[in-house]
Amino acid sequence: GAGVSQSPSNKVTEKGKDVELRCDPISGHTALYWYRQSLGQGLEFLIYFQGNSAPDKSGLPSDRFSAERTGGSVSTLTIQRTQQEDSAVYLCASSLEGQGVVNYGYTFGSGTRLTVV
Amino acid sequence: AQKVTQAQTEISVVEKEDVTLDCVYETRDTTYYLFWYKQPPSGELVFLIRRNSFDEQNEISGRYSWNFQKSTSSFNFTITASQVVDSAVYFCALSDGTDSWGKLQFGAGTQVVVTP
Repeated sequence: GAGVSQSPSNKVTEKGKDVELRCDPISGHTALYWYRQSLGQGLEFLIYFQGNSAPDKSGLPSDRFSAERTGGSVSTLTIQRTQQEDSAVYLCASSLEGQGVVNYGYTFGSGTRLTVV
Repeated sequence: AQKVTQAQTEISVVEKEDVTLDCVYETRDTTYYLFWYKQPPSGELVFLIRRNSFDEQNEISGRYSWNFQKSTSSFNFTITASQVVDSAVYFCALSDGTDSWGKLQFGAGTQVVVTP
């Protein structure tokens, strides 16, 4: 597609439920990144995919968070047993390659606003 | 340790005033990249500039200019003759190859409010 697409744009869930957030990167972009932006905070790195593998998942805050990428394209971020502190905007970005951010820059999606009540 | 510091939480100006956003970074690497992104109320992050550590030349793009000073580890951003459309949160970010080049470390952001 023309840009990075994320769905849903908004998600309200009850504490303890699982949620899945989807990211559809720009066609041909091999690298995909997930970030989290909590209210009033900067962006916090979560995980990086190169193709279908995740060489850097150092930012996942707990084992309730997981992500996968299939076909080198769509990625799903899953949060199990959601907690109120998981409320944030989850942003996805893609680039042409892992080092692409320094050569070509990221393209960010509009994010998914997750609210845990 | 925080690698990118944006000490200004919010700056309010009247239209046509200049505004300078500070960014101080920390890295042990000699090769690194610095970025500025704009996040308007719509929420989508917009890339503004990328600068590598070997290029200290200041850059101007329209009303935007950037002052990169390695001696003070700063990469400041100035908006000249601000306009209401400049109202947004501005983020400074660093990529220094820690873990992976693709990983950006962001500052906390500076909210710019431009009033008519």
